[in-house]
Amino acid sequence: AQKVTQAQTEISVVEKEDVTLDCVYETRDTTYYLFWYKQPPSGELVFLIRRNSFDEQNEISGRYSWNFQKSTSSFNFTITASQVVDSAVYFCALRGGGYNKLIFGAGTRLAVHP
Amino acid sequence: DTGVSQDPRHKITKRGQNVTFRCDPISEHNRLYWYRQTLGQGPEFLTYFQNEAQLEKSRLLSDRFSAERPKGSFSTLEIQRTEQGDSAMYLCASRQTSEPTVTDTQYFGPGTRLTVL
Repeated sequence: AQKVTQAQTEISVVEKEDVTLDCVYETRDTTYYLFWYKQPPSGELVFLIRRNSFDEQNEISGRYSWNFQKSTSSFNFTITASQVVDSAVYFCALRGGGYNKLIFGAGTRLAVHP
Repeated sequence: DTGVSQDPRHKITKRGQNVTFRCDPISEHNRLYWYRQTLGQGPEFLTYFQNEAQLEKSRLLSDRFSAERPKGSFSTLEIQRTEQGDSAMYLCASRQTSEPTVTDTQYFGPGTRLTVL
């Protein structure tokens, strides 16, 4: 079975703080893909990053960084120097190599206060 | 490239009525997916198409739900005899799996929010 767990339901920070969103996944596939999406209040899911199971390199994109660790089945997302515009619900998702559907976690609601 | 579009954005209906939603994928994307998202939850897979063929359906897709993609371009999702439990956001996504522009990423539309009274 495939599963994604985002244990943090809500996180509240003050602007300029760093924040890490946790994602733990379960799969028996050796080939799989992990994703992060952002869902602002407008409702649209915005793609942020994709990682495949053979690429454990961490990635940085501006204030965003991702830490993929197969040993702990985690794919965590860090926002550095958070801004009010980062306020949204963030979803981690998994797609097994032999599947077409995405399995989403329940999401983490991030509130960044000025 | 325009993104995935969905119509309508909001739909309010009375229990027992039929509703139909439309999704236009990114141009030339051959795969189209439907998901449902209830309040406070992540999206859940409903069904997907490769071109005009519906290749997989979730057990969430009851007999009252039907989806089509007749010409392999836009898709419609119809719910018959709506129930209050159908109230949710219905999201559409598309992806390209044919060369030369294969992508492993599903790109989502803005969703249709359904409220059943």
